[in-house]
Amino acid sequence: DAGVTQSPTHLIKTRGQHVTLRCSPISGHKSVSWYQQVLGQGPQFIFQYYEKEERGRGNFPDRFSARQFPNYSSELNVNALLLGDSALYLCASSKEVHFRANYGYTFGSGTRLTVV
Amino acid sequence: DQQVKQNSPSLSVQEGRISILNCDYTNSMFDYFLWYKKYPAEGPTFLISISSIKDKNEDGRFTVFLNKSAKHLSLHIVPSQPGDSAVYFCAASPANAGGTSYGKLTFGQGTILTVHP
Repeated sequence: DAGVTQSPTHLIKTRGQHVTLRCSPISGHKSVSWYQQVLGQGPQFIFQYYEKEERGRGNFPDRFSARQFPNYSSELNVNALLLGDSALYLCASSKEVHFRANYGYTFGSGTRLTVV
Repeated sequence: DQQVKQNSPSLSVQEGRISILNCDYTNSMFDYFLWYKKYPAEGPTFLISISSIKDKNEDGRFTVFLNKSAKHLSLHIVPSQPGDSAVYFCAASPANAGGTSYGKLTFGQGTILTVHP
């Protein structure tokens, strides 16, 4: 079975531009969460979507938005990019909005975004 | 406010010896604690977890200890192997109303473990 897939794997953008990152969860998983990992830090929660509805939002500005599609895949959008948005963006999936014990969320390999 | 802290940025251990990675938390609402391992160019991989109602959970070479009164947990790897070299993240989550499942993860900064042959 395919794991959580993210695209693209790497991209470089210029300050002020917009970016869209994509995530396909594990088949059968209905929840997708987005995390930002800045170099030297742990992943930080951005959003969670379940059944196409936002179920959680972290402490990020309104430049960050996301959505989930009927097939449970998801997009993370970031507008007006800043240098500080350079990070690894991770997508995590689970069957339900909450994860079960001894399993946790399953993460993809991430998209490395560099803003220049 | 860093609710989950891993105060050791790095740890170097000889193969065959014990690796002990530490994690502290401040939020009393956390009910479930996880350890993830991350290799370069890969996403975090779930390693082991523990509920707040337990003080120890063991899985093969990996054991997690929880001291709830001290808000401290640790991951022991015995014996350490070179393939264990990775970044280890401690993460915490609150429980849902029924106490049967868990929500968003709050991560520590990570500890780079290097196991020398």
